[in-house]
Amino acid sequence: EAGVTQSPTHLIKTRGQQATLRCSPISGHTSVYWYQQALGLGLQFLLWYDEGEERNRGNFPPRFSGRQFPNYSSELNVNALELEDSALYLCASRPRGSYNSPLHFGNGTRLTVT
Amino acid sequence: SQQGEEDPQALSIQEGENATMNCSYKTSINNLQWYRQNSGRGLVHLILIRSNEREKHSGRLRVTLDTSKKSSSLLITASRAADTASYFCAPDFSGNTPLVFGKGTRLSVIA
Repeated sequence: EAGVTQSPTHLIKTRGQQATLRCSPISGHTSVYWYQQALGLGLQFLLWYDEGEERNRGNFPPRFSGRQFPNYSSELNVNALELEDSALYLCASRPRGSYNSPLHFGNGTRLTVT
Repeated sequence: SQQGEEDPQALSIQEGENATMNCSYKTSINNLQWYRQNSGRGLVHLILIRSNEREKHSGRLRVTLDTSKKSSSLLITASRAADTASYFCAPDFSGNTPLVFGKGTRLSVIA
């Protein structure tokens, strides 16, 4: 089966611009999670979508937002980019209702803000 | 905080030696999961151990769970250079909370 795919793999933006990151979960997976991994820090939980709805949100400002589409793919939008938004953004998915199951991760989008 | 805390932060060993990483958490769990991350890549799931299990094996990996001490350990036996990576634990508390990760243990296996 195809794994979780993320695009683009690399993204370079200027401070103040907007970035859009995309994630396609494994077929049949309805839950999508977004994480930020900045240099020297662990994974910080950003957003969780399930069946098109936002289920939980991490401690990030409102300029981080996203959505999940009817086909369960997801988008992460970051507005008014700041230098400290430079990080690896990881998307993960897992099947509907199977909370006691592993997450499947994509290989991430490396966002660089200059 | 509902994340696990890995210890040590960094570990360097020779090829063939065993590597042990520890994880502590603070509240009751449904299960605890271990993941590996190679540099700049996504996380890969290694093992899930349920709260009613005490030990689990997968190949060269052995995971133990002590719910009374709220701790888990990951043992990699006969390590190889390819085991060089960061290892994360993720306590799974309930179906309504997302997995939260700590900073991980950076393992370096020297050939």
